[in-house]
Amino acid sequence: TQLLEQSPQFLSIQEGENLTVYCNSSSVFSSLQWYRQEPGEGPVLLVTVVTGGEVKKLKRLTFQFGDARKDSSLHITAAQPGDTGLYLCAGYGAGSYQLTFGKGTKLSVIP
Amino acid sequence: GAVVSQHPSWVICKSGTSVKIECRSLDFQATTMFWYRQFPKQSLMLMATSNEGSKATYEQGVEKDKFLINHASLTLSTLTVTSAHPEDSSFYICSASQSRGMDTQYFGPGTRLTVL
Repeated sequence: TQLLEQSPQFLSIQEGENLTVYCNSSSVFSSLQWYRQEPGEGPVLLVTVVTGGEVKKLKRLTFQFGDARKDSSLHITAAQPGDTGLYLCAGYGAGSYQLTFGKGTKLSVIP
Repeated sequence: GAVVSQHPSWVICKSGTSVKIECRSLDFQATTMFWYRQFPKQSLMLMATSNEGSKATYEQGVEKDKFLINHASLTLSTLTVTSAHPEDSSFYICSASQSRGMDTQYFGPGTRLTVL
């Protein structure tokens, strides 16, 4: 079983602060995706990372895939209330067609 | 692009009745569709994978006779919860991808099922 551990589980910060969310595993993933989910809605894809060491930026969000493709991080700069939501990482393990989800990080950005 | 819709967005039913949930890919052909359920404050748990024109593959612990999945076309999959019970109350989310492999999954907005 390939597990993805996300940390922290909960995060409450003030508007304007920076934060980093982590997604770790002992297994290698061929690709890893980050989603954001708001209450009562489905997850919305933010980014897919495929190559070890890859860094992708999406406005104030920076995503990094670890060199060994076992971990990933999401960094948000100058967080805004609109960033509030559940951030999920998910990945395809090597040779697996099933997307494994982490438990998510619930982010609250306080104005 | 890559929009997935679900209908209904929420449904309340009596115990013992059956409920059908539709999942549609609106602007692409979905070779594979997935059904997940999500309990409050928990992550998504895969229930089954369906490929167009073939029988769905269910995850361990998911009753195939209770959760009937049909993927009759490249844009539509349905999940029928038969003889629903209160413990089936959950948030059901579908996703769709364009291939059978490790492709990006696009998620629908989910359906909130409440069984009284």
